[in-house]
Amino acid sequence: SAVISQKPSRDICQRGTSLTIQCQVDSQVTMMFWYRQQPGQSLTLIATANQGSEATYESGFVIDKFPISRPNLTFSTLTVSNMSPEDSSIYLCSVDGVVDTEAFFGQGTRLTVV
Amino acid sequence: LAKTTQPISMDSYEGQEVNITCSHNNIATNDYITWYQQFPSQGPRFIIQGYKTKVTNEVASLFIPADRKSSTLSLPRVSLSDTAVYYCLVGTNTGNQFYFGTGTSLTVIP
Repeated sequence: SAVISQKPSRDICQRGTSLTIQCQVDSQVTMMFWYRQQPGQSLTLIATANQGSEATYESGFVIDKFPISRPNLTFSTLTVSNMSPEDSSIYLCSVDGVVDTEAFFGQGTRLTVV
Repeated sequence: LAKTTQPISMDSYEGQEVNITCSHNNIATNDYITWYQQFPSQGPRFIIQGYKTKVTNEVASLFIPADRKSSTLSLPRVSLSDTAVYYCLVGTNTGNQFYFGTGTSLTVIP
């Protein structure tokens, strides 16, 4: 299994500002994933982050809005840029598991934009 | 990508067996079926995964018919702590990027 730590666990931010969310894993992983979960909704994949290459974004998500870094095999960051109230969501980091397609998720970062 | 359809919500009394069915009519040959559980304010947690027939672990059983166009998650003797949202996902075993459906909100009643 993998233990994932996300920081911050929650934050309240002013519109127009940016927030960087950190994801730390206790083991080296090839791929890391970032999801958004809007209030009362399911999870939506934002992007896939591989170490040493640019992140791959899903339809509807762009690098200018959600820049991602992946400097090594245990760490990634997601920045939510120029925030608006519509960005208020829970943002979750996920990593590959070891067994088949099992994946592990962090506790999430609850973001409120005011 | 195979789309999944689940009931939006279910209620069950404590101690009962709960079966949650998921439809995935356009599942591909290489796709696995995986179920996750999510409690409020937590990330999803892996429950069980299967490819065909039946899989059982210490938490649940997963039944997959021969055509693989649906699957049923079976939770034996549920307790109040099983109240959560359950997601059925279908995908290949490469990449691990998951596309979540609506999920089923299970409420266990005393």
